[in-house]
Amino acid sequence: KNEVEQSPQNLTAQEGEFITINCSYSVGISALHWLQQHPGGGIVSLFMLSSGKKKHGRLIATINIQEKHSSLHITASHPRDSAVYICAANTGNQFYFGTGTSLTVIP
Amino acid sequence: GAVVSQHPSRVICKSGTSVKIECRSLDFQATTMFWYRQFPKQSLMLMATSNEGSKATYEQGVEKDKFLINHASLTLSTLTVTSAHPEDSSFYICSGGGSTLPGGYTFGSGTRLTVV
Repeated sequence: KNEVEQSPQNLTAQEGEFITINCSYSVGISALHWLQQHPGGGIVSLFMLSSGKKKHGRLIATINIQEKHSSLHITASHPRDSAVYICAANTGNQFYFGTGTSLTVIP
Repeated sequence: GAVVSQHPSRVICKSGTSVKIECRSLDFQATTMFWYRQFPKQSLMLMATSNEGSKATYEQGVEKDKFLINHASLTLSTLTVTSAHPEDSSFYICSGGGSTLPGGYTFGSGTRLTVV
């Protein structure tokens, strides 16, 4: 069993839809990261969370430490949001990565 | 916020040559740097962990003589792929952290290496 599980693996949405990507982890963490990887491979760090909720533009990330669960929400999705979203759990000593969620937003 | 600048973003090299990838922490001191590799459609996999001023710790299966890691300063870590082979073609990413970033690490943007 992977230390970090993401769902769904693939997601297709219509432009404007509200999107949720889920991440569950089994390790103790000092922080949980959400990364965005574009088709060319480039990685962008979206959020680093240790508790609660963070918002940046149309992106919202939440984490429930007790339930070991985090969600990434995208409001009013746009085709430029199409990318792979990766959840990464930082134990303080190492990272565990989810396998990613491939999001395609159709105009 | 803390930024790790990774260069180059893309590189194409010939088999047998060496390629150096740099990661610089721009506004913090990276006492630890992780280096990852990603094969197509797979998750990031840890290659090695380096602490400033000491030898890197390599994960099982990673050839330390092939993937040379230098972390000589608190703001610069380099990964050199020596005698590159087409099988080394991959996406390489660094992640840096330090005492000024409690609980947090920040990622470089990655380097896509293609060996022809």
